[in-house]
Amino acid sequence: DIQMTQSPSSVSASVGDRVTITCRASQGISNWLAWYQQKPGKAPKLLIYGASTLQSGVPSRFRGSGSGTDFTLTISSLQPEDFATYYCQQGDNFSLTFGGGTRVDIK
Amino acid sequence: QITLKESGPTLVKPTQTLTLTCTFSGFTLGTTGVGVGWIRQPPGKALEWLGTIYWDDDKRYSPSLKTRLTITRDTSKNQVVLTMTNMDPVDTATYYCARTVYPALKGAFDYWGQGTLVTFSS
Repeated sequence: DIQMTQSPSSVSASVGDRVTITCRASQGISNWLAWYQQKPGKAPKLLIYGASTLQSGVPSRFRGSGSGTDFTLTISSLQPEDFATYYCQQGDNFSLTFGGGTRVDIK
Repeated sequence: QITLKESGPTLVKPTQTLTLTCTFSGFTLGTTGVGVGWIRQPPGKALEWLGTIYWDDDKRYSPSLKTRLTITRDTSKNQVVLTMTNMDPVDTATYYCARTVYPALKGAFDYWGQGTLVTFSS
């Protein structure tokens, strides 16, 4: 199995802050990496796929980057609606795994 | 408009077999590249992929749960069924179904159901 390690597990930030979340794969996955946002009691929402492609309707303040084993999700200017938990997920070779999640809460 | 919805029992007993149905609309599982996956989330914990069935009836399962899982489809009813045997209280979770498109989405799921919580009765 490919393991996905997310960091940090939680971050406290203020509205307007730049937030960066990283995800590391235990082996190379090219760009088969997605990012999701999940709010309490709701299903995950796809933000980015292919490591850097923004899903339709997702604000441009969300940016994904990386390839191989190291990936980053950046929120350029945190908005009140962005306080949530974020997950990375790899899709290489039809065997999928999720990261442990990063909770973004209000400082 | 694409929608997915999970249905099935909310309470199960240890050793029972769980059967969940995902009923979807707005897309066809027979379309090249389309897949429907199952993902679960124990209360307060991370997401865990269980398995995916694809347009060509190829099925892929989580290695750690493979012996307990079966995913089937009924294309005429727009349904995908997950069967999980030998249920244990550690399987308490919200179970989601979601759509993927291979290879366009690179393994990601773009539409999700609302999820169904499965818990245990003694």
